[in-house]
Amino acid sequence: GAVVSQHPSWVICKSGTSVKIECRSLDFQATTMFWYRQFPKQSLMLMATSNEGSKATYEQGVEKDKFLINHASLTLSTLTVTSAHPEDSSFYICSARVTRRAGVDTQYFGPGTRLTVL
Amino acid sequence: KNQVEQSPQSLIILEGKNCTLQCNYTVSPFSNLRWYKQDTGRGPVSLTIMTFSENTKSNGRYTATLDADTKQSSLHITASQLSDSASYICVVTLFSGGYNKLIFGAGTRLAVHP
Repeated sequence: GAVVSQHPSWVICKSGTSVKIECRSLDFQATTMFWYRQFPKQSLMLMATSNEGSKATYEQGVEKDKFLINHASLTLSTLTVTSAHPEDSSFYICSARVTRRAGVDTQYFGPGTRLTVL
Repeated sequence: KNQVEQSPQSLIILEGKNCTLQCNYTVSPFSNLRWYKQDTGRGPVSLTIMTFSENTKSNGRYTATLDADTKQSSLHITASQLSDSASYICVVTLFSGGYNKLIFGAGTRLAVHP
């Protein structure tokens, strides 16, 4: 159980276009999902927290108008990279949080999406 | 400042050998500590999780230890296999605002050679 999927697994796009990445929790509902970015040989950096039915919370330095997050249902969050540029090329990973009881929760990670902007 | 530091940054070992990865943290209030394995181009997969009261946890050939007093953890890999080649990430969870926040280490890149 607790499987998180991402689509697409990799995408190549031209500079200036927008790219949408989907994150789905397949066998559970997640009111909270997270989006991370990972550059080569570096660890995951939290970009934003996605809450179902409300606005996402962005980490300092992450442009909310560039990285649009929509969490329209309890099993789906999307990240749209608008007007992508080569410096946006990275590995984007989502996770979904499961809260089993107060103060005890677990994040399950998706397989990641490799974005290459030409 | 809440930080997680891992060492070494990278490690090369021969197949069948053992190795130990280190993690030091300054995270408070501490909730739990996890070790993740991340294969190249894949998302992290949890190996072990330890709370404050646990000082060792095993998962097959992986054994994690935790010393909450010195705020140190280690991941020991026994009889390494080629498939163990990956990044190993130490993640400490702090309890803040009613929820847990993950603090990631930079990871140790392990290469197992035949």
